[in-house]
Amino acid sequence: GAVVSQHPSWVICKSGTSVKIECRSLDFQATTMFWYRQFPKQSLMLMATSNEGSKATYEQGVEKDKFLINHASLTLSTLTVTSAHPEDSSFYICSASGLAGIGTDTQYFGPGTRLTVL
Amino acid sequence: RKEVEQDPGPFNVPEGATVAFNCTYSNSASQSFFWYRQDCRKEPKLLMSVYSSGNEDGRFTAQLNRASQYISLLIRDSKLSDSATYLCAVTLNTDKLIFGTGTRLQVFP
Repeated sequence: GAVVSQHPSWVICKSGTSVKIECRSLDFQATTMFWYRQFPKQSLMLMATSNEGSKATYEQGVEKDKFLINHASLTLSTLTVTSAHPEDSSFYICSASGLAGIGTDTQYFGPGTRLTVL
Repeated sequence: RKEVEQDPGPFNVPEGATVAFNCTYSNSASQSFFWYRQDCRKEPKLLMSVYSSGNEDGRFTAQLNRASQYISLLIRDSKLSDSATYLCAVTLNTDKLIFGTGTRLQVFP
């Protein structure tokens, strides 16, 4: 149990285009999903927290109009990087929590999406 | 000061060795503590939660010292497959995880 998938696993795009990344909880209902970004040799930095059916809460310094998050169902959240630029190239990882019986502070991570913007 | 700090390493140890990592956190109100393992270009995987009384899972032992605000991870009888980056993470009063930058471990034959 507790499997989280992400799609795509990697993407290369041209500067100025938008990229959508999907995060799915495959065998459980995730009340909360988190989006992280990790640059090389750095830690995971939380970008935003999303709860199903409500607006995402963004961390300080993260532009909500650039990183659009939609959490339309208990099993799917999407992150859209709008007008991507080379400095947005990074490893984007989602996680999900809210498993009954396990505890809401346990997060399970998706495999990540490596974005390269040319 | 960073919220969660770790020595980046790398720690280079021979197979069979015992190695320990520490992680310090700045907020005394931190509530939950975890160790994650991250392999190169992969997502973090939960290794173990850390409890006040300390806990053990096979070759891995985690300890929490609230007074000094650090957690530790001890790996006994290191295997080549233990080579990875070990991230500590804490939560405050929400389920937001705050990660350290990780400690890289390299186990050599």
